[in-house]
Amino acid sequence: GENVEQHPSTLSVQEGDSAVIKCTYSDSASNYFPWYKQELGKRPQLIIDIRSNVGEKKDQRIAVTLNKTAKHFSLHITETQPEDSAVYFCAAVYNFNKFYFGSGTKLNVKP
Amino acid sequence: DSGVTQTPKHLITATGQRVTLRCSPRSGDLSVYWYQQSLDQGLQFLIQYYNGEERAKGNILERFSAQQFPDLHSELNLSSLELGDSALYFCASSVGVGNEKLFFGSGTQLSVL
Repeated sequence: GENVEQHPSTLSVQEGDSAVIKCTYSDSASNYFPWYKQELGKRPQLIIDIRSNVGEKKDQRIAVTLNKTAKHFSLHITETQPEDSAVYFCAAVYNFNKFYFGSGTKLNVKP
Repeated sequence: DSGVTQTPKHLITATGQRVTLRCSPRSGDLSVYWYQQSLDQGLQFLIQYYNGEERAKGNILERFSAQQFPDLHSELNLSSLELGDSALYFCASSVGVGNEKLFFGSGTQLSVL
């Protein structure tokens, strides 16, 4: 089955700096890669996603890049703000419904 | 609000007991997923249903079972509870095959004492 590895497990940045979280996957059949943000005690919420036929997608301060050949994808957050502090999960999805989540990255944005 | 409703929000019970967690998917979603999240851990996939039928199984213990009813709501049954079953249980739903966007409920916090 699919194996998704996510790094780093914790990330601390100064407000205004950029943050990058990386994930690798093993199954080349995976074709959809969402990112979820989970604030403390809350539900995971979809923040951005990318399909395998796209290399990059941007939504305001967040962007996701995908390298299919290397089987890795990354989340980029620019101009970080304290409200960006949360746990971020990546996932690789294949066959439309098999979700494999990474282990999560705890992002701390220091004011 | 994601549109996925989970009840109850909190559940406190004793070891050896049995509990039922309930999930109502978003209107129009046919697929329901159950995840377990222990303290400071990731999302462990338990089971998925699509339009009433089991579609995929993850690391679900034999003491746990689930089902999806004709009205598409789902229940997760946890029996012979152990201390280690204490966790946040999330339900998520999606339209189904061909649309992968997954929306999570607020979760049920289970505490086994």
